[in-house]
Amino acid sequence: NSKVIQTPRYLVKGQGQKAKMRCIPEKGHPVVFWYQQNKNNEFKFLINFQNQEVLQQIDMTEKRFSAECPSNSPCSLEIQSSEAGDSALYLCASSGGQNTEVFFGKGTRLTVV
Amino acid sequence: QQQVRQSSQSLTVWEGETAILNCSYENSAFDYFPWYQQFPGEGPALLIAIRSVSDKKEDGRFTIFFNKREKNLSLHIKDSQPGDSATYFCAASANGGNNKLTFGQGTVLSVIP
Repeated sequence: NSKVIQTPRYLVKGQGQKAKMRCIPEKGHPVVFWYQQNKNNEFKFLINFQNQEVLQQIDMTEKRFSAECPSNSPCSLEIQSSEAGDSALYLCASSGGQNTEVFFGKGTRLTVV
Repeated sequence: QQQVRQSSQSLTVWEGETAILNCSYENSAFDYFPWYQQFPGEGPALLIAIRSVSDKKEDGRFTIFFNKREKNLSLHIKDSQPGDSATYFCAASANGGNNKLTFGQGTVLSVIP
């Protein structure tokens, strides 16, 4: 069973509003990922961290999202100005490092109305 | 360009049969292939995984067969149960890729009692 904790499970925001979701990775896992899963079940990689440092992020994340993984605090992903197309399941995952298994949380279901 | 491809969007089997889910990939650098199981409203759960140095991995009723030369793999679920009804995702990552996963489109498995 995954020990990645995501909150909230559900989030409803109006267009233009900020939307913030949090993730507590599995204890001892230094690598954290955020993925977006759309209604067609397609996964889109958004960003990953090793400890507090960004390893890689896509263009959309850099321009429209704010993400961080501070030490001793939950990781967070925030959409600065929500759009209808952002409605999706946002999945946080963690791993112990290179070549180790990746475990996902239950996700935050964002609906932008 | 779909780097990881699952050949069937959906598959229906009777209880007790073996379900076979197929996956292929394009990137020769991929060397780690996990399968995830996802129930509606939940995050993906790691089911079983294989590395490219192996051609078979077995865990209980679940077996992965891997063909590096043909760049394909399959997940066999023996003695399928109604509780196995879920969406199954084939994924892949490359050594040195920070465990970043590339997912297939998913196969919805229905097991009829």
